Amino acid sequence: GQQVMQIPQYQHVQEGEDFTTYCNSSTTLSNIQWYKQRPGGHPVFLIQLVKSGEVKKQKRLTFQFGEAKKNSSLHITATQTTDVGTYFCAASGSARQLTFGSGTQLTVLP
Amino acid sequence: EAQVTQNPRYLITVTGKKLTVTCSQNMNHEYMSWYRQDPGLGLRQIYYSMNVEVTDKGDVPEGYKVSRKEKRNFPLILESPSPNQTSLYFCASSRQGNSPLHFGNGTRLTVT
Repeated sequence: GQQVMQIPQYQHVQEGEDFTTYCNSSTTLSNIQWYKQRPGGHPVFLIQLVKSGEVKKQKRLTFQFGEAKKNSSLHITATQTTDVGTYFCAASGSARQLTFGSGTQLTVLP
Repeated sequence: EAQVTQNPRYLITVTGKKLTVTCSQNMNHEYMSWYRQDPGLGLRQIYYSMNVEVTDKGDVPEGYKVSRKEKRNFPLILESPSPNQTSLYFCASSRQGNSPLHFGNGTRLTVT
């Protein structure tokens, strides 16, 4: 089946530093979604990207979909302790099913 | 309130003792899915259902069964649990297969 690579697996940042996680696929995607899972919680949908080159913002979070629709990134500006958690991408291809990346676990040090 | 309800939240059992984890959604979603989450492996799909009476294997279906007799319910059945099925399980639903997913709160299963 479709595979989605997500890096890095772990990231420790000092509060106020920026953070980025990346997802890559070898095949063209129809859409990509991002989820956040707080420690002890369940994944919560953040956003969906559909168009080539699309950029969406949610406050300090910026989501990008690559021009070739094979990669995506989530960037957090000036991290806060509330940003702690694991961020997952989930990609959909021709099978119209979502495949999750392995996640990036973000730790924010106060 | 729109939600996906999973039960139980925690379950400790012994090898070979059949168990069922229930999942129910109140959003009239057609698509439902089960995932297991293990450290470093992300969310791996066990089974999914596109609609009532339609189920299919995900990436890691061995040792699991599901049924979809009603739209709202999608139970996960472990006929003979083994220790390698110790994991955190999530049920999720969505309008269709590649739509945003709503997740349940999870079931932490320990098989000894």
